[in-house]
Order: sequence, then C-alpha cells, then structure tokens
Amino acid sequence: DAGVIQSPRHEVTEMGQEVTLRCKPISGHNSLFWYRQTMMRGLELLIYFNNNVPIDDSGMPEDRFSAKMPNASFSTLKIQPSEPRDSAVYFCASTLTGESDTQYFGPGTRLTVL
Amino acid sequence: GENVEQHPSTLSVQEGDSAVIKCTYSDSASNYFPWYKQELGKRPQLIIDIRSNVGEKKDQRIAVTLNKTAKHFSLHITETQPEDSAVYFCAPAGGYQKVTFGTGTKLQVIP
Repeated sequence: DAGVIQSPRHEVTEMGQEVTLRCKPISGHNSLFWYRQTMMRGLELLIYFNNNVPIDDSGMPEDRFSAKMPNASFSTLKIQPSEPRDSAVYFCASTLTGESDTQYFGPGTRLTVL
Repeated sequence: GENVEQHPSTLSVQEGDSAVIKCTYSDSASNYFPWYKQELGKRPQLIIDIRSNVGEKKDQRIAVTLNKTAKHFSLHITETQPEDSAVYFCAPAGGYQKVTFGTGTKLQVIP
C-alpha cells in the first residue's frame, strides 16, 4: 500500500484565496483525521470521520474551514477565504477503528498564506 | 474534552543514558495509549502503544508503562542514540476514536 497520500505537498497562496487540501486514506481504513500543526499550537485535531461521516468537528477553527469525505477513498479540507494565520502544516491520518487504532499519517501539506 | 499533558517539554540526555517522558490524561474512558515520534520535517509515526488491560509493554529499547488509576502513562527509552532525537507525542484515545495529542516533548540526545 502507498500509505496515506496528500496533495499538494506545498501550497503558497495569497490572503483571501480559496485553498483545497486533498487526502487519500489507506485502502480499507474506516476513520480519517485532519490535523493542523504549528509551533505555537502544536498538533491540533480539526475534524475526524468514521465511515465517511463527520463525528467530531469541534476542532475546526471557524466557518472558513470545511471538510468533506464523499467516499471512503477521498477527503478534502477547504479554507475559504484563507488568512496568514492559517499558515501551517496540515496532516491527514487514517486508521482502522475496531481493529487497530494506530494512526497512519500522510506526509502533510505545508500551507503558506501571504 | 480530554486534557492531556506531557512532561517534560524538552529533554537533553547524553548518548547511552535513559530518557523518560510522562503523559497524564483526564478521560477515564481512554483505553488506548500510543506514543508517536516525529523527526524534523517528517510526519508523526507510531513507535509503541499499550491498551488499558496491560500495564507494561516493551519493544527492544523502548517501553511504555500505564497506570490507569493515576491516569498516566510513560515512555521509556534506554541506551539512547542520536537517532532518537525527535519530538515525541502521547495521544490517549477513548470511545469513537476521540484522540487528543499531547503538546510534545523534544528529546535531544547528545553524542
């Protein structure tokens, strides 16, 4: 298996633009997590899905952030409009809940908002 | 929500010495206790985990101990090597996979 795949790996955009981050979980995994990592705030859980259904989005910072999981093999995290304070590394992780709780992280997307 | 604390936040040890990192949590429903290692510029990766029905688990130079009564678990690294230098996160999890990462411990192993 190729592991969790994220795209793009790097994104540089200007304030006010829409940003879409993409994630393909490991095949067969039933839970997917989106995290944000910064030096100041550490690793924050934004939202997680189980069987494509959002279970907890309490970590989503504000309405500018939205996440979808239209099927078991794809998820998006969208920021609209983006702001400089959104600059961070965004990780996607997946796991097989009920069998193994180990989270497998993707390589991350480094987002810079100018 | 779960309140997770890690101590210390930074730790420097001489190569060959042992390192211990402690994680305390608040949710008594937590039943899965992993430790992740994140090297600079890379993704977090699981290094060892333990479940609530076990008190200790060991894998070569690393071990995890769990005290459910006191709500804490610890990572032990023996015979530290320079490649152990990284940030370590605990991430206790409970029902519905609700997981909270600790603030991280930066370990530096001095050759």
